[in-house]
Amino acid sequence: EIVLTQSPDFQSVTPKEKVTITCRASQSIGSSLHWYQQKPDQSPKLLIKYASQSFSGVPSRFSGSGSGTDFTLTINSLEAEDAATYYCHQSSSLPGTFGQGTKVEIK
Amino acid sequence: QVTLKESGPVLVKPTETLTLTCTVSGFSLSNARMGVSWIRQPPGKALEWLAHIFSNDEKSYSTSLKSRLTISKDTSKSQVVLTMTNMDPVDTATYYCARSPRWGPFDYWGQGTLVTVSS
Repeated sequence: EIVLTQSPDFQSVTPKEKVTITCRASQSIGSSLHWYQQKPDQSPKLLIKYASQSFSGVPSRFSGSGSGTDFTLTINSLEAEDAATYYCHQSSSLPGTFGQGTKVEIK
Repeated sequence: QVTLKESGPVLVKPTETLTLTCTVSGFSLSNARMGVSWIRQPPGKALEWLAHIFSNDEKSYSTSLKSRLTISKDTSKSQVVLTMTNMDPVDTATYYCARSPRWGPFDYWGQGTLVTVSS
């Protein structure tokens, strides 16, 4: 089973600041890494698929990069509505696995 | 418009079997590209993938929960069903179903259903 480790677990950020979240896989997963945003009491929403492809309707300030074992989600110019927990997920192999999540708080 | 909606009991007793139904619309479960997963989230904790059913009816399960889970689908009813046996309080969670084209990202999610396990 592939383990995904996110860092940091928590980040407190000022609006307009840049946010970087990393996800490291326990073995190479190519580009089969996806990012989700989950706001309180809501279902997760897909942001980035296959490491760097934006999902339909996602604001351009969200971007992803990486391949192999190391991946990054970047939020440029953070907005108040971006307060949420962010999860990575791999579909390189079964069973599917998620990272432990990174909570982003707005200062 | 793609939608998924989970339904099932809100409360189950320890040792009982949980049966959850995911009713989908806006796509067909017989579509060669489409699969559906079940994912859960205990209160305040991370997402945990449970099971997946592919368009060809192939199934896959969480390693740690495999002995307790069964996933199935009824294409004519547009439903995917998950059963989990021998429920325990630690299984208290919001259970989601989500669509995954070609075992890729989960592009659409249901609203989730909170299941509490308590006597």
